[in-house]
Amino acid sequence: KQEVTQIPAALSVPEGENLVLNCSFTDSAIYNLQWFRQDPGKGLTSLLLIQSSQREQTSGRLNASLDKSSGRSTLYIAASQPGDSATYLCAVRPFRAAGNKLTFGGGTRVLVKP
Amino acid sequence: ETGVTQTPRHLVMGMTNKKSLKCEQHLGHNAMYWYKQSAKKPLELMFVYNFKEQTENNSVPSRFSPECPNSSHLFLHLHTLQPEDSALYLCASSDDLAGGDTQYFGPGTRLTVL
Repeated sequence: KQEVTQIPAALSVPEGENLVLNCSFTDSAIYNLQWFRQDPGKGLTSLLLIQSSQREQTSGRLNASLDKSSGRSTLYIAASQPGDSATYLCAVRPFRAAGNKLTFGGGTRVLVKP
Repeated sequence: ETGVTQTPRHLVMGMTNKKSLKCEQHLGHNAMYWYKQSAKKPLELMFVYNFKEQTENNSVPSRFSPECPNSSHLFLHLHTLQPEDSALYLCASSDDLAGGDTQYFGPGTRLTVL
């Protein structure tokens, strides 16, 4: 059974500092990995999706890397801003034939202080 | 409205009540999902529907009864719930036919069972 872990569970940084969020998964037979953002009391917003054949994806200040063989992904957020404060979740999808069933990590709660 | 909408946003119910959660997606997607997000637990997939057919039931107790009358609407009927069922219930949709893996989430329904 796939297990996804995110460490640390919470992170507090001063504005301008780079953020590094970690995600690990136990079964490397994944189809893709996604990073989501969740604001308090709200739904999830997709940030980046990395296919299993890719090593990284970039969008603006966000960069996500994937090392499937070691079961790890890292989300980098450059030059953090107070508006980046949220919970960040990673989720893995198993091989395509199994359907779009995501397994989520517990999330990392980020606070960026002005 | 655009995206994925959920009603009600907040619901308080007694253990003997019957209530329903509603989800509607305006994205033309073929797949819809119910997730449960409890405090201190990772987001859990409950049900998956593809073209109105249920393709996944993640060992969910029968006191939760999903219904998908068409590809745009998804319901979760609730009866004789327990206090431990209190959680944020999230609905999502995706367009798997076009190879779109990204799931789009609604804002959720915050359920409290007394």
